[in-house]
Amino acid sequence: RKEVEQDPGPFNVPEGATVAFNCTYSNSASQSFFWYRQDCRKEPKLLMSVYSSGNEDGRFTAQLNRASQYISLLIRDSKLSDSATYLCVVPPGAGSYQLTFGKGTKLSVIP
Amino acid sequence: DTGVSQNPRHKITKRGQNVTFRCDPISEHNRLYWYRQTLGQGPEFLTYFQNEAQLEKSRLLSDRFSAERPKGSFSTLEIQRTEQGDSAMYLCASSQSVEQFFGPGTRLTVL
Repeated sequence: RKEVEQDPGPFNVPEGATVAFNCTYSNSASQSFFWYRQDCRKEPKLLMSVYSSGNEDGRFTAQLNRASQYISLLIRDSKLSDSATYLCVVPPGAGSYQLTFGKGTKLSVIP
Repeated sequence: DTGVSQNPRHKITKRGQNVTFRCDPISEHNRLYWYRQTLGQGPEFLTYFQNEAQLEKSRLLSDRFSAERPKGSFSTLEIQRTEQGDSAMYLCASSQSVEQFFGPGTRLTVL
């Protein structure tokens, strides 16, 4: 299994749709997980952190399944402004600050 | 603007030349990171500093690459004898805790 694996997409969804992205990771020692958002030709920005089973912030929900080494990001009521690449990020474990990024999943929300 | 800044934003150079990039982190952040990102990929970790100490280096950081953070504030990344394969976006990030804040990047094109 690759360190961090994501479905590259692209996901093309209409406004208002619900869309889910999946991410699998190989390092069972990882304790915290992140979703970053990257707009075209811009730097990545932190969207959500996941430390336990899940996290919810408005229209965004992140879930973690440690047994399956699987993280998901759910976006409800998609907006045009949600169009971006979503990067799944996994630190290797305690004592290391090196982040391992997935290749990202591209989302396009269509009017 | 108190975010992470990087200079230059764009650099075009000929193969074999040396280039140097600068990163100014958020002032109170003691950790600084360098990443490289190519088209269609997520950022790849290169190296990490805690204050002035370089604590982690990726195997991607060949002997042509060197990074410094002499006073624990700004950092420089130098690439010697550039190759076409070095063409990428070079991202700098800083952090005080787990969340890493990225700069806008330096886009390097090696002709």
